[in-house]
Amino acid sequence: DVKVTQSSRYLVKRTGEKVFLECVQDMDHENMFWYRQDPGLGLRLIYFSYDVKMKEKGDIPEGYSVSREKKERFSLILESASTNQTSMYLCASSSPGPRLPQYFGPGTRLTVT
Amino acid sequence: ILNVEQSPQSLHVQEGDSTNFTCSFPSSNFYALHWYRWETAKSPEALFVMTLNGDEKKKGRISATLNTKEGYSYLYIKGSQPEDSATYLCALNRDDKIIFGKGTRLHILP
Repeated sequence: DVKVTQSSRYLVKRTGEKVFLECVQDMDHENMFWYRQDPGLGLRLIYFSYDVKMKEKGDIPEGYSVSREKKERFSLILESASTNQTSMYLCASSSPGPRLPQYFGPGTRLTVT
Repeated sequence: ILNVEQSPQSLHVQEGDSTNFTCSFPSSNFYALHWYRWETAKSPEALFVMTLNGDEKKKGRISATLNTKEGYSYLYIKGSQPEDSATYLCALNRDDKIIFGKGTRLHILP
């Protein structure tokens, strides 16, 4: 079974803090993705990566950065957390190709106060 | 702007009844359409991937059809059960971009 794990299910941080969200997959997938999910807005792509040390901006990259130093790990970084970054964050991974599904982690619910 | 629309946004269905909902998308440069089921407190799980016009996929009581020329896909659930309560997401893969719809939230009433 494909497994995608995220470092925390729930996280509470203060405004201005630097926040790291970690994602690890065990299926040797080349592609990894970070989404946020907000009520009424659906899943929105923040950043994705097609290979180690590669990253591409998604639809809403502002305020975020990512790191992919190893194939199995994709980190999302909030340089200076703000209250509008309170959200559910989902990581996903997949093999290359439009016909292959993404496998999702359980999500991290981040609250910035 | 590539937009994937799902309707309805929310749906209440009596247990045992059948139901369906829609995913609409721009029909040009189509690669693949994915359906996911997202149960509360769990991760989204892939249901189907469809690539060809006229594709029909089935998994138990759930099936899906695809019309790439007119830009829509239907998801059908036959004889709804409580475990079908979830948000159903469709996602369009086109030109290396993956766009998710906002989902249809299905509630099965006992």
